Amino acid sequence: DAGVIQSPRHEVTEMGQEVTLRCKPISGHDYLFWYRQTMMRGLELLIYFNNNVPIDDSGMPEDRFSAKMPNASFSTLKIQPSEPRDSAVYFCASSLGRTEKLFFGSGTQLSVL
Amino acid sequence: QKEVEQNSGPLSVPEGAIASLNCTYSDRGSQSFFWYRQYSGKSPELIMFIYSNGDKEDGRFTAQLNKASQYVSLLIRDSQPSDSATYLCAVKGNTGKLIFGQGTTLQVKP
Repeated sequence: DAGVIQSPRHEVTEMGQEVTLRCKPISGHDYLFWYRQTMMRGLELLIYFNNNVPIDDSGMPEDRFSAKMPNASFSTLKIQPSEPRDSAVYFCASSLGRTEKLFFGSGTQLSVL
Repeated sequence: QKEVEQNSGPLSVPEGAIASLNCTYSDRGSQSFFWYRQYSGKSPELIMFIYSNGDKEDGRFTAQLNKASQYVSLLIRDSQPSDSATYLCAVKGNTGKLIFGQGTTLQVKP
């Protein structure tokens, strides 16, 4: 298995632009998580899905953030409009089952200028 | 109170020594406990998980869980310079949410 695949690896954009991050979970995994990591706040859970349904989006910082999972093999995290404080590494992770171990993608390094 | 707390370190140990990393959590309903290692610029990778009270050993790593004290620890025996990384404690409750601590940076000096 190729593992969790994220794209792009790096994204540099200007304030106000729309940013879309993509994730392909491990085939067969039924949970998908979006995390954001910064030096100040560490690894924060933004939202997670179970069987493509959003379960908890309480970590999404603002309405500028939205996430979708149209099918079992694809998810997006969108920021519109982006702001410099959104600069961080965004990780997608998946797991099989509620209490099982998480597998992380390589992350997307987002820089908003 | 943070849901998962770790000392950020850095924790510095000489090569060959035992490194002890600690973590406390606030949700008594938590069921699963994980240790992830994250090298600089890389993604977290799972190194240990534990579900039941007591010790679990895997090679040089031992995870310890005490649910009554809401305490999880990771021991690394015979520490090597390649163990230098940030170690993230993570706790998963009934909801399925995996909450991470801030991480402890470990430095193993040759």
